[in-house]
Amino acid sequence: AQSVTQLGSHVSVSEGALVLLRCNYSSSVPPYLFWYVQYPNQGLQLLLKYTTGATLVKGINGFEAEFKKSETSFHLTKPSAHMSDAAEYFCAVRGSARQLTFGSGTQLTVLP
Amino acid sequence: DTGVSQNPRHKITKRGQNVTFRCDPISEHNRLYWYRQTLGQGPEFLTYFQNEAQLEKSRLLSDRFSAERPKGSFSTLEIQRTEQGDSAMYLCASSIDVETGEAFFGQGTRLTVV
Repeated sequence: AQSVTQLGSHVSVSEGALVLLRCNYSSSVPPYLFWYVQYPNQGLQLLLKYTTGATLVKGINGFEAEFKKSETSFHLTKPSAHMSDAAEYFCAVRGSARQLTFGSGTQLTVLP
Repeated sequence: DTGVSQNPRHKITKRGQNVTFRCDPISEHNRLYWYRQTLGQGPEFLTYFQNEAQLEKSRLLSDRFSAERPKGSFSTLEIQRTEQGDSAMYLCASSIDVETGEAFFGQGTRLTVV
């Protein structure tokens, strides 16, 4: 079975500061990992994904994530936060039926 | 717009009533998923279809929940005899049957049971 743990349900950063959102996964097979972003009352938008190959994955809006197998982690980063980055972020791992198992989310607040 | 479309966006219903939600996937996508998201939680997988076949439904929350995808196009999710605990966002996602499982989500239907 697959599972995802997101450390920190709320993260606050100042505008221009580094964003780091943590995700650890558990998977019995080589994982496919995803980060999604959700704005209030909206669906989920894919930020980036790791399938195979390069462990540093670049996504939209300047986000990137690094797959570390030894640490079972897939943390999301952005060098400089923007006010428009304020949203909820979900890490997910693919399951056996190719459904996604999500973490409980991290609410990112960007302070002016 | 060729994204995933869900209707209605919002539904308020009285306890005990039946509700039905519709999802129109991206046209070339043969897989369709339903998820439920409650406040402060990540989406929770409910069921999925490959074309018109429902291949997993054990995660549906109770026998009050059912889903269909006639002709492998749009899908409906029905909840019978709604309860207050059914209040949530119901999300639909679609994907092409590829290895990664990458899914594209609709904007969801927010259900409020009063």
